[in-house]
Amino acid sequence: KAGVTQTPRYLIKTRGQQVTLSCSPISGHRSVSWYQQTPGQGLQFLFEYFSETQRNKGNFPGRFSGRQFSNSRSEMNVSTLELGDSALYLCASSPGTGVYEQYFGPGTRLTVT
Amino acid sequence: EDQVTQSPEALRLQEGESSSLNCSYTVSGLRGLFWYRQDPGKGPEFLFTLYSAGEEKEKERLKATLTKKESFLHITAPKPEDSATYLCAVRRNNAGNMLTFGGGTRLMVKP
Repeated sequence: KAGVTQTPRYLIKTRGQQVTLSCSPISGHRSVSWYQQTPGQGLQFLFEYFSETQRNKGNFPGRFSGRQFSNSRSEMNVSTLELGDSALYLCASSPGTGVYEQYFGPGTRLTVT
Repeated sequence: EDQVTQSPEALRLQEGESSSLNCSYTVSGLRGLFWYRQDPGKGPEFLFTLYSAGEEKEKERLKATLTKKESFLHITAPKPEDSATYLCAVRRNNAGNMLTFGGGTRLMVKP
Protein backbone atom coordinates (compact mmCIF):
# COMPACT_ATOMS: atom_id res chain seq x y z
CA LYS A 1 0.00 0.00 0.00
CA ALA A 2 1.38 3.40 -0.92
CA GLY A 3 2.02 5.78 1.96
CA VAL A 4 1.04 9.39 2.41
CA THR A 5 2.41 11.60 -0.34
CA GLN A 6 2.99 15.33 -0.17
CA THR A 7 3.83 17.76 -2.93
CA PRO A 8 5.91 19.69 -3.43
CA ARG A 9 8.71 18.45 -1.17
CA TYR A 10 10.53 21.78 -1.12
CA LEU A 11 9.33 25.29 -1.71
CA ILE A 12 10.87 28.74 -1.52
CA LYS A 13 8.56 31.76 -1.38
CA THR A 14 8.85 35.46 -0.70
CA ARG A 15 7.16 37.34 2.13
CA GLY A 16 3.66 38.41 1.20
CA GLN A 17 3.11 35.63 -1.32
CA GLN A 18 0.71 32.74 -0.83
CA VAL A 19 1.35 29.02 -1.10
CA THR A 20 -0.69 25.85 -1.57
CA LEU A 21 0.52 22.46 -0.34
CA SER A 22 -1.01 19.14 -1.31
CA CYS A 23 -1.47 15.85 0.51
CA SER A 24 -2.70 12.49 -0.78
CA PRO A 25 -3.62 10.14 2.08
CA ILE A 26 -3.21 6.39 2.19
CA SER A 27 -5.83 4.71 0.01
CA GLY A 28 -9.03 4.24 1.99
CA HIS A 29 -8.14 6.80 4.65
CA ARG A 30 -10.71 9.55 5.07
CA SER A 31 -9.13 11.73 7.74
CA VAL A 32 -6.30 14.12 6.96
CA SER A 33 -4.55 16.27 9.55
CA TRP A 34 -1.96 18.98 9.00
CA TYR A 35 0.90 19.90 11.34
CA GLN A 36 3.60 22.55 11.36
CA GLN A 37 7.05 21.60 12.66
CA THR A 38 9.66 24.20 13.61
CA PRO A 39 12.80 23.93 15.75
CA GLY A 40 11.40 26.37 18.29
CA GLN A 41 7.79 25.20 18.63
CA GLY A 42 8.06 21.56 17.65
CA LEU A 43 5.08 19.84 16.06
CA GLN A 44 1.85 21.83 16.23
CA PHE A 45 -1.59 20.86 15.00
CA LEU A 46 -3.08 23.03 12.28
CA PHE A 47 -6.38 21.38 11.34
CA GLU A 48 -8.10 18.11 10.54
CA TYR A 49 -10.46 17.23 7.71
CA PHE A 50 -12.82 14.28 7.53
CA SER A 51 -15.26 13.70 4.70
CA GLU A 52 -14.56 17.16 3.29
CA THR A 53 -15.41 18.86 6.59
CA GLN A 54 -13.03 20.58 8.97
CA ARG A 55 -13.41 18.79 12.29
CA ASN A 56 -10.77 20.47 14.42
CA LYS A 57 -8.61 23.55 14.18
CA GLY A 58 -5.45 24.47 16.04
CA ASN A 59 -4.38 27.86 17.29
CA PHE A 60 -3.15 29.40 14.05
CA PRO A 61 -4.19 32.65 12.38
CA GLY A 62 -6.78 32.74 9.63
CA ARG A 63 -4.02 33.00 7.01
CA PHE A 64 -3.79 29.23 7.34
CA SER A 65 -6.64 27.40 5.67
CA GLY A 66 -7.34 24.05 4.14
CA ARG A 67 -9.81 21.92 2.31
CA GLN A 68 -10.46 18.31 1.46
CA PHE A 69 -11.78 16.87 -1.75
CA SER A 70 -14.20 14.02 -2.30
CA ASN A 71 -11.30 11.63 -2.98
CA SER A 72 -9.87 12.55 0.48
CA ARG A 73 -6.94 14.46 -0.98
CA SER A 74 -6.30 17.64 0.96
CA GLU A 75 -4.70 20.99 0.37
CA MET A 76 -3.58 23.66 2.77
CA ASN A 77 -3.07 27.28 1.87
CA VAL A 78 -1.06 29.98 3.60
CA SER A 79 -1.71 33.53 2.49
CA THR A 80 0.43 36.61 3.03
CA LEU A 81 3.48 34.58 4.00
CA GLU A 82 5.67 35.71 6.89
CA LEU A 83 9.24 34.74 7.68
CA GLY A 84 7.98 32.79 10.68
CA ASP A 85 5.97 30.51 8.42
CA SER A 86 9.19 28.79 7.37
CA ALA A 87 8.73 25.24 8.58
CA LEU A 88 8.22 21.62 7.70
CA TYR A 89 4.54 21.06 6.98
CA LEU A 90 3.41 17.53 7.66
CA CYS A 91 0.27 15.76 6.63
CA ALA A 92 -1.05 12.71 8.46
CA SER A 93 -3.78 10.32 7.39
CA SER A 94 -6.02 7.99 9.32
CA PRO A 95 -8.89 5.68 8.38
CA GLY A 96 -11.37 7.78 10.34
CA THR A 97 -11.82 9.63 13.57
CA GLY A 98 -12.18 6.60 15.77
CA VAL A 99 -9.38 4.97 17.67
CA TYR A 100 -6.84 4.88 14.85
CA GLU A 101 -3.18 5.58 14.36
CA GLN A 102 -2.10 8.42 12.12
CA TYR A 103 0.53 7.95 9.45
CA PHE A 104 2.65 10.88 8.38
CA GLY A 105 3.91 11.89 4.99
CA PRO A 106 7.47 13.09 4.30
CA GLY A 107 6.48 16.74 4.62
CA THR A 108 6.89 19.89 2.56
CA ARG A 109 9.82 22.10 3.55
CA LEU A 110 8.70 25.72 3.10
CA THR A 111 11.26 28.50 3.23
CA VAL A 112 10.04 32.10 3.26
CA THR A 113 12.61 34.77 2.33
CA GLU B 1 -4.90 22.62 28.02
CA ASP B 2 -3.12 19.42 27.06
CA GLN B 3 0.58 19.31 27.88
CA VAL B 4 3.29 16.82 26.96
CA THR B 5 6.84 17.04 28.28
CA GLN B 6 9.63 14.75 27.17
CA SER B 7 12.93 14.15 28.90
CA PRO B 8 15.78 14.18 28.41
CA GLU B 9 15.96 16.49 25.39
CA ALA B 10 19.02 14.60 24.16
CA LEU B 11 20.56 11.29 25.09
CA ARG B 12 23.87 9.78 24.06
CA LEU B 13 24.32 6.04 24.51
CA GLN B 14 26.96 3.53 23.63
CA GLU B 15 25.83 0.64 21.50
CA GLY B 16 24.32 -1.96 23.82
CA GLU B 17 23.70 0.50 26.67
CA SER B 18 20.01 0.26 27.57
CA SER B 19 18.04 3.30 28.74
CA SER B 20 14.57 4.86 28.97
CA LEU B 21 12.94 7.95 27.57
CA ASN B 22 10.23 9.71 29.55
CA CYS B 23 6.99 11.35 28.44
CA SER B 24 4.92 13.15 31.08
CA TYR B 25 1.45 14.28 30.09
CA THR B 26 -1.56 16.22 31.28
CA VAL B 27 -4.73 15.68 29.31
CA SER B 28 -8.40 15.76 30.05
CA GLY B 29 -9.69 12.36 29.00
CA LEU B 30 -6.83 10.45 27.38
CA ARG B 31 -7.82 8.70 24.21
CA GLY B 32 -4.44 7.36 23.26
CA LEU B 33 -0.76 8.05 23.78
CA PHE B 34 1.42 7.68 20.71
CA TRP B 35 5.12 7.16 20.15
CA TYR B 36 6.75 8.13 16.88
CA ARG B 37 10.29 8.00 15.57
CA GLN B 38 11.54 10.78 13.30
CA ASP B 39 14.71 10.72 11.24
CA PRO B 40 16.21 14.02 10.01
CA GLY B 41 14.32 15.48 7.06
CA LYS B 42 11.56 12.86 7.23
CA GLY B 43 8.05 12.61 8.61
CA PRO B 44 7.38 10.85 11.91
CA GLU B 45 7.13 7.06 11.73
CA PHE B 46 4.46 5.44 13.89
CA LEU B 47 5.73 3.10 16.61
CA PHE B 48 3.09 2.45 19.29
CA THR B 49 -0.30 3.45 20.63
CA LEU B 50 -1.14 2.95 24.31
CA TYR B 51 -4.66 3.45 25.59
CA SER B 52 -4.81 2.69 29.30
CA ALA B 53 -2.57 2.66 32.37
CA GLY B 54 -0.67 -0.58 32.73
CA GLU B 55 -0.58 -1.28 29.02
CA GLU B 56 2.74 -2.30 27.43
CA LYS B 57 3.76 -2.82 23.81
CA GLU B 58 6.99 -4.10 22.30
CA LYS B 59 8.68 -3.94 18.94
CA GLU B 60 12.20 -5.26 18.45
CA ARG B 61 14.42 -3.38 20.93
CA LEU B 62 11.67 -0.95 21.97
CA LYS B 63 9.10 -1.32 24.73
CA ALA B 64 6.53 1.32 25.61
CA THR B 65 4.67 1.49 28.92
CA LEU B 66 1.94 3.76 30.24
CA THR B 67 0.87 5.03 33.66
CA LYS B 68 -1.78 7.63 34.50
CA LYS B 69 0.74 10.45 34.29
CA GLU B 70 3.60 9.30 32.09
CA SER B 71 4.87 6.90 29.50
CA PHE B 72 8.29 5.36 29.09
CA LEU B 73 10.02 4.15 25.98
CA HIS B 74 12.60 1.56 26.99
CA ILE B 75 15.40 0.85 24.54
CA THR B 76 17.21 -2.42 25.13
CA ALA B 77 20.73 -2.93 23.75
CA PRO B 78 20.40 -0.08 21.21
CA LYS B 79 22.19 -0.05 17.89
CA PRO B 80 23.45 2.95 15.91
CA GLU B 81 20.44 2.63 13.59
CA ASP B 82 18.19 3.45 16.55
CA SER B 83 19.56 6.99 16.48
CA ALA B 84 16.63 9.34 15.81
CA THR B 85 14.28 11.76 17.53
CA TYR B 86 11.54 10.01 19.48
CA LEU B 87 8.27 11.89 19.79
CA CYS B 88 5.44 11.34 22.22
CA ALA B 89 1.90 12.64 21.57
CA VAL B 90 -1.51 12.47 23.22
CA ARG B 91 -5.03 12.53 21.85
CA ARG B 92 -7.96 13.40 24.08
CA ASN B 93 -11.64 12.68 23.99
CA ASN B 94 -13.83 14.69 21.63
CA ALA B 95 -10.85 16.08 19.72
CA GLY B 96 -10.90 13.86 16.63
CA ASN B 97 -7.39 13.05 15.49
CA MET B 98 -5.75 16.15 16.94
CA LEU B 99 -2.45 15.20 18.56
CA THR B 100 -0.50 17.28 21.07
CA PHE B 101 3.21 16.51 20.79
CA GLY B 102 6.07 16.76 23.22
CA GLY B 103 9.34 18.35 22.20
CA GLY B 104 11.00 15.00 21.52
CA THR B 105 14.12 13.23 22.72
CA ARG B 106 17.06 13.17 20.32
CA LEU B 107 18.79 9.82 20.74
CA MET B 108 22.34 9.21 19.52
CA VAL B 109 23.79 5.71 19.74
CA LYS B 110 27.54 5.46 19.24
CA PRO B 111 29.13 2.24 17.95
